[in-house]
Amino acid sequence: GAGVSQSPSNKVTEKGKDVELRCDPISGHTALYWYRQSLGQGLEFLIYFQGNSAPDKSGLPSDRFSAERTGGSVSTLTIQRTQQEDSAVYLCASSPSATLQFFGPGTRLTVL
Amino acid sequence: KQEVTQIPAALSVPEGENLVLNCSFTDSAIYNLQWFRQDPGKGLTSLLLIQSSQREQTSGRLNASLDKSSGRSTLYIAASQPGDSATYLCAPRDFNKFYFGSGTKLNVKP
Repeated sequence: GAGVSQSPSNKVTEKGKDVELRCDPISGHTALYWYRQSLGQGLEFLIYFQGNSAPDKSGLPSDRFSAERTGGSVSTLTIQRTQQEDSAVYLCASSPSATLQFFGPGTRLTVL
Repeated sequence: KQEVTQIPAALSVPEGENLVLNCSFTDSAIYNLQWFRQDPGKGLTSLLLIQSSQREQTSGRLNASLDKSSGRSTLYIAASQPGDSATYLCAPRDFNKFYFGSGTKLNVKP
C-alpha cells in the first residue's frame, strides 16, 4: 500500500476484555514502532521492532501489553484485561532505516 | 530519561506572520531530531529531520535548527497560512526511540 494502515480505526471495549490492534507497515520498511497518545498527553513510545532483532519493549507500561511482528511485516499490539486508563489513540509507524518515520492514522481505543 | 518541552503550548497568529516554535530536550546524546505536524483526527506527518551532525534543515517555508549541545531546536515557519494550523511536535531520537514533546497547537487566522 501507499502508507501505513491500522485497524480498526475505532475500538470500544469493556473493562477487562482483551483487544488486538493491527498495523500494516509500508512494504520493505524494516523498522516498526508503536506509540500511544492519551487525551491531552504527548506521544509515548511503546515498542520498537527492527528486522529480526529482539524488539525493544522498554516502553510497554505493564505486562498486560504485548506485541508481535510476524514475518517482519504486519504487527499486532495486544492489550489484555483492558483498563480505563488504556483509553488512548494507538499509533504505528514504520521506517526504512533510522531516519524518517511514517505514521499510520491510529486506532482510537475507548475502554468503558 | 529524555524530557522534551515545547513552548509555547498554543499560538494564534494572523495569516502572513513569521513564527518560531521552540523545543528543548534534556539529553543531548541524540541521534537525530524530527519535527511532525498532527492534524485533528489524523496521523502524524513528518516535516523535517535533522541529523545530530547538522545545524539546520529547510523545506519550503519551514526551517528547523538544532543546537544539540544546548538541547534546543526551533521550527521557523515563514509567511504562515491557515493551512498551517495544526499541532507541531518535536521528537529527538536516541538509537531506538523518539521522545515526543506535548506539542505546540498553532492556529493561523485568515
